Amino acid sequence: DSGVTQTPKHLITATGQRVTLRCSPRSGDLSVYWYQQSLDQGLQFLIQYYNGEERAKGNILERFSAQQFPDLHSELNLSSLELGDSALYFCASSGGRGDYEQYFGPGTRLTVT
Amino acid sequence: GQQLNQSPQSMFIQEGEDVSMNCTSSSIFNTWLWYKQDPGEGPVLLIALYKAGELTSNGRLTAQFGITRKDSFLNISASIPSDVGIYFCAGHSRSYAGNNRKLIWGLGTSLAVNP
Repeated sequence: DSGVTQTPKHLITATGQRVTLRCSPRSGDLSVYWYQQSLDQGLQFLIQYYNGEERAKGNILERFSAQQFPDLHSELNLSSLELGDSALYFCASSGGRGDYEQYFGPGTRLTVT
Repeated sequence: GQQLNQSPQSMFIQEGEDVSMNCTSSSIFNTWLWYKQDPGEGPVLLIALYKAGELTSNGRLTAQFGITRKDSFLNISASIPSDVGIYFCAGHSRSYAGNNRKLIWGLGTSLAVNP
């Protein structure tokens, strides 16, 4: 158990809809990262937050947005969903002395039909 | 986006064999990390390397931070069926990320073990 929690575990929705994925980082970690992993693909970095502020952006679509709240949990919002958005979405957190080391949650499997 | 060159892409070995995989970059890295991902689950950190030349073990796994700071290696000795999964390398390079903690990732090595 990495200490990072993600909800929901599975999500099935229709094209055009909007969903919110939630992540709680490990206790004490200030950074949260979001990744997308499509079937048999590598990890695509989407966005990073540090202590409530956006720190880095990767290949995140304009239809996607994220935020980190004062209690450090984070949400990833996906809107106008398309079939190609079906993927595993992972949240990772880091912080403290070994803050390059990212610890991953179990992921949310999103299926867009 | 930037990616690390990870090889081999896949491996199919017999139980008990040793395994080697590597990760290379054209830029200098100051941190190398190795992760293992089981199907449908989140990657799990195996080994972290912070110093050129560093050799670190975690059970049957050994990883090295290359002297040139542009590569890293992961070895698994005496493989067992539960070693099956995808192994990812990741690293941090100030050339790419500056002071940001963003990691660059390889595409993974898929390992299959025949009992």
